[in-house]
Amino acid sequence: LAKTTQPISMDSYEGQEVNITCSHNNIATNDYITWYQQFPSQGPRFIIQGYKTKVTNEVASLFIPADRKSSTLSLPRVSLSDTAVYYCLVGDSPGGYNKLIFGAGTRLAVHP
Amino acid sequence: DADVTQTPRNRITKTGKRIMLECSQTKGHDRMYWYRQDPGLGLRLIYYSFDVKDINKGEISDGYSVSRQAQAKFSLSLESAIPNQTALYFCATSDHGTGGGYGYTFGSGTRLTVV
Repeated sequence: LAKTTQPISMDSYEGQEVNITCSHNNIATNDYITWYQQFPSQGPRFIIQGYKTKVTNEVASLFIPADRKSSTLSLPRVSLSDTAVYYCLVGDSPGGYNKLIFGAGTRLAVHP
Repeated sequence: DADVTQTPRNRITKTGKRIMLECSQTKGHDRMYWYRQDPGLGLRLIYYSFDVKDINKGEISDGYSVSRQAQAKFSLSLESAIPNQTALYFCATSDHGTGGGYGYTFGSGTRLTVV
């Protein structure tokens, strides 16, 4: 099972770009990289998913180098409302979702 | 109305009691899951279901059971609650056509306290 490692916590200020890196050295060929966001007392919310190179949506960008052993979630111009826990997950294609492992995540605090 | 609804939102129960947590969804998804979250920790998978006739154990199924009554309903039971089952419980759904953790929809959670 591909395990992920990410920083326990990060601090930032409003308007800054935040980059959260996740290490997944044992990622398998079929594995996708997915990020979720969780606010206190709420269920996680899907942010973005990628397989390789770069993926961008209206919320974030995901950068994945060629060796896929790490990935970086980039949040542009964060606001106070981006304060949350961010989870990096690795799991394979349909049928393998049961291998998803939610680690402790990265607790991002955005300050005024 | 929420896509994934969990009831109750909060529950306090006594050790040894049987309790059921319910989950219903309007997403039309085939797959449903129950997760448990302890303070400061990530989510751990308890049980999951591919469809109505399919039930699978997750990482921490001991002390729990589930029932998939319909495509839209997935219940989690604690047969004899114990204090270390005090946690926040989440139900989630996903579509069979996606994979690798794409687009799970989570409920708002049930906060269970066993005294």
